[in-house]
Amino acid sequence: DAGVTQSPTHLIKTRGQHVTLRCSPISGHKSVSWYQQVLGQGPQFIFQYYEKEERGRGNFPDRFSARQFPNYSSELNVNALLLGDSALYLCASSDTGTRGEQYFGPGTRLTVT
Amino acid sequence: GENVEQHPSTLSVQEGDSAVIKCTYSDSASNYFPWYKQELGKGPQLIIDIRSNVGEKKDQRIAVTLNKTAKHFSLHITETQPEDSAVYFCAATKESGANSKLTFGKGITLSVRP
Repeated sequence: DAGVTQSPTHLIKTRGQHVTLRCSPISGHKSVSWYQQVLGQGPQFIFQYYEKEERGRGNFPDRFSARQFPNYSSELNVNALLLGDSALYLCASSDTGTRGEQYFGPGTRLTVT
Repeated sequence: GENVEQHPSTLSVQEGDSAVIKCTYSDSASNYFPWYKQELGKGPQLIIDIRSNVGEKKDQRIAVTLNKTAKHFSLHITETQPEDSAVYFCAATKESGANSKLTFGKGITLSVRP
């Protein structure tokens, strides 16, 4: 069975641009969470979606937004990119969204220049 | 909110020795504690977890212990091998809430010397 998939693998953007990152959860999983991992740090929670509804939001500015589609895949959008947005963006899949087990994808490495 | 701290930040052991990584958490309502292994260029991989209704869980060479009173939990790796070298993260969350966002520690780099 396929695990969590994310696209693209790497991305280079310029300050002020916007970016869309994509995630497909494990088959049968209905919840997707997004995390930001800055080099040398642990992942930091951005959003969780379950059944297309936002279930949680971390301490990130409104420039960050996300949505979940009927097939449970998800997009993370970041507007007005800053240098500090450079990070590994991780998507995690879970079955119900309330149980703790989350399975991560390989991430998207975003570099903002 | 929850705060998870991880000590030490780096650990080097000889192949075959045991490694112990410790984490503390602040929110007594947290009840689920996973451990993740992250290799270079990859996403975190769930290797073992524990819920607050048990004190210890073991899976082959890996074990996790939980002390709810002291609010700390530890990862134990026995008979370490070079392929155990990676960054290990502990995390905590409260299940049965509206969501299950994980709060992570900063990670520890484990090096296993051949």
